[in-house]
Amino acid sequence: GESVGLHLPTLSVQEGDNSIINCAYSNSASDYFIWYKQESGKGPQFIIDIRSNMDKRQGQRVTVLLNKTVKHLSLQIAATQPGDSAVYFCAEIRTAGNKLTFGGGTRVLVKP
Amino acid sequence: DTGVSQDPRHKITKRGQNVTFRCDPISEHNRLYWYRQTLGQGPEFLTYFQNEAQLEKSRLLSDRFSAERPKGSFSTLEIQRTEQGDSAMYLCASSLAPGGVTEAFFGQGTRLTVV
Repeated sequence: GESVGLHLPTLSVQEGDNSIINCAYSNSASDYFIWYKQESGKGPQFIIDIRSNMDKRQGQRVTVLLNKTVKHLSLQIAATQPGDSAVYFCAEIRTAGNKLTFGGGTRVLVKP
Repeated sequence: DTGVSQDPRHKITKRGQNVTFRCDPISEHNRLYWYRQTLGQGPEFLTYFQNEAQLEKSRLLSDRFSAERPKGSFSTLEIQRTEQGDSAMYLCASSLAPGGVTEAFFGQGTRLTVV
């Protein structure tokens, strides 16, 4: 399949371990933050979002943490599986707009 | 499969030629977005429609780029006089307002290579 990104930061994780992916943002006016997963040859797939007035949100096997003090967002994946291998992007939305602004991606490689 | 389909999946064209891509959103979705993604980068916003109205265009969308959504359903993105710098993945997404872009579903993209 096609490669989404050739020179991305890469996180190698053993199957079954937890993964933590980090993202820094710059705009204090952002209202929503979203994590996307992008597999080779596919478009981004929504994983989880969080409003700016929250600091934690949990989904199925995923947790997003938001630290507005240091403008930092993280995605934690519990018990990482081979199917979690992909590139992960954070994105933000500002009130005035109706568009996503994506950050840089992180490639996650799950080792069996 | 998210329900958003894009055609073609791949396009190779010579520099200077015009190309047109098509996006078919999820049928009841009234918002449609176009993004461009180059290798190693996150997608960049190009433009979006609500029904047939084009509500916002990025400065990335030069005069050579035009997007339409004539009947508020499918959309086309045309690039005239293609340049090598236009080589990228062009992604379409759709959502149902008022849910907006937080609930947008992306298609698989059209990979453009300009030679």
